Amino acid sequence: ETGVTQSPTHLIKTRGQQVTLRCSSQSGHNTVSWYQQALGQGPQFIFQYYREEENGRGNFPPRFSGLQFPNYSSELNVNALELDDSALYLCASSFRQNTGELFFGEGSRLTVL
Amino acid sequence: KQEVTQIPAALSVPEGENLVLNCSFTDSAIYNLQWFRQDPGKGLTSLLLIQSSQREQTSGRLNASLDKSSGRSTLYIAASQPGDSATYLCAVPQIYNQGGKLIFGQGTELSVKP
Repeated sequence: ETGVTQSPTHLIKTRGQQVTLRCSSQSGHNTVSWYQQALGQGPQFIFQYYREEENGRGNFPPRFSGLQFPNYSSELNVNALELDDSALYLCASSFRQNTGELFFGEGSRLTVL
Repeated sequence: KQEVTQIPAALSVPEGENLVLNCSFTDSAIYNLQWFRQDPGKGLTSLLLIQSSQREQTSGRLNASLDKSSGRSTLYIAASQPGDSATYLCAVPQIYNQGGKLIFGQGTELSVKP
């Protein structure tokens, strides 16, 4: 059974650019959730994907968007990057019909200069 | 609106000490509560999940309790070791029985000194 994997692990962008982060969910999990974690803070829920559709969204602007693919992997896209977007982006997977444990990847560290 | 608070923000203890980490939530109608561990710059590792019908869960030297009526959960770590040094986070679902959409506390940064 493979765990949640994310790529890239680190990346540096400049203001105004666009970024795509990728996530492969844990084997058997059909739901992917994305979180943003600023330094010294707890993770903040961005959105969740189930059956390739967005299934709930946190307080993030539309320039944060995502995709889920038939194999349940997912992408997080952020357009028009701002300095405050610098954070650790975490992907978590779960099984939709199970409101139990959430399993996280190691995250993608984004720095916006 | 559900809010989750963890106090203290940081804690330093000598090796071998038993310790308790606290987590408070404002809405007692929670479906479950999950404790995580996070090493610096890393992702979150699930430690324990307590369902709303449970009072406590144990895994090795860790014991988590849940008191919904008072809006509190505690994570007890027995015989602490330097390898326990990390940030510990608690989280509850935003919506009662919808998994994956969690509200997190800000975490307690634990340092265990040899």
